[in-house]
Amino acid sequence: AQTVTQSQPEMSVQEAETVTLSCTYDTSESDYYLFWYKQPPSRQMILVIRQEAYKQQNATENRFSVNFQKAAKSFSLKISDSQLGDAAMYFCAYSYNTNAGKSTFGDGTTLTVKP
Amino acid sequence: NAGVMQNPRHLVRRRGQEARLRCSPMKGHSHVYWYRQLPEEGLKFMVYLQKENIIDESGMPKERFSAEFPKEGPSILRIQQVVRGDSAAYFCASSPLSGNTIYFGEGSWLTVV
Repeated sequence: AQTVTQSQPEMSVQEAETVTLSCTYDTSESDYYLFWYKQPPSRQMILVIRQEAYKQQNATENRFSVNFQKAAKSFSLKISDSQLGDAAMYFCAYSYNTNAGKSTFGDGTTLTVKP
Repeated sequence: NAGVMQNPRHLVRRRGQEARLRCSPMKGHSHVYWYRQLPEEGLKFMVYLQKENIIDESGMPKERFSAEFPKEGPSILRIQQVVRGDSAAYFCASSPLSGNTIYFGEGSWLTVV
């Protein structure tokens, strides 16, 4: 069974600084997707970034980028120029092949942004 | 284009009552997924449905829980004889036919008293 581990229950960052959230996963598959979701206090789940395992290039979305290390099964999220609105719970998720709907989630990292 | 719509947003039930949670997928989406989030935990997959078909219910508790996605109308997650441990946020997500990204609704919060 696939597992997703987020080893940092809480992280904090100063506004305008950079922070990296860690995620490791375990799978025997070679074709899969990885995701980072943001859950702000409103509790809605918002997709931040997505990475296809077959792509060597790391995904980026504006201030958000990932460091995908397939051999190490590591998928960290880097947030640059942190803003107060980035404060939220962040979840790493894995899904096999093309069925993104059946995803395995980590337990989350709570990110605090200090002004 | 409206997003995934879930209702009710908040539901309070007494132990032993039934809870029904509804989900209308995004327009053009034919796949629906239900997830549960217990306090201080990540989301856990429950069930995957297409119109009139349950595709994967490997995450559904064996008893008291059922889900459907009829030909017409929203998908419904039904919890019979609720217990305190059912208190959680229930998220619905949808995707298009060949989508590899899912879109979440805002969740339904069930409180069992």
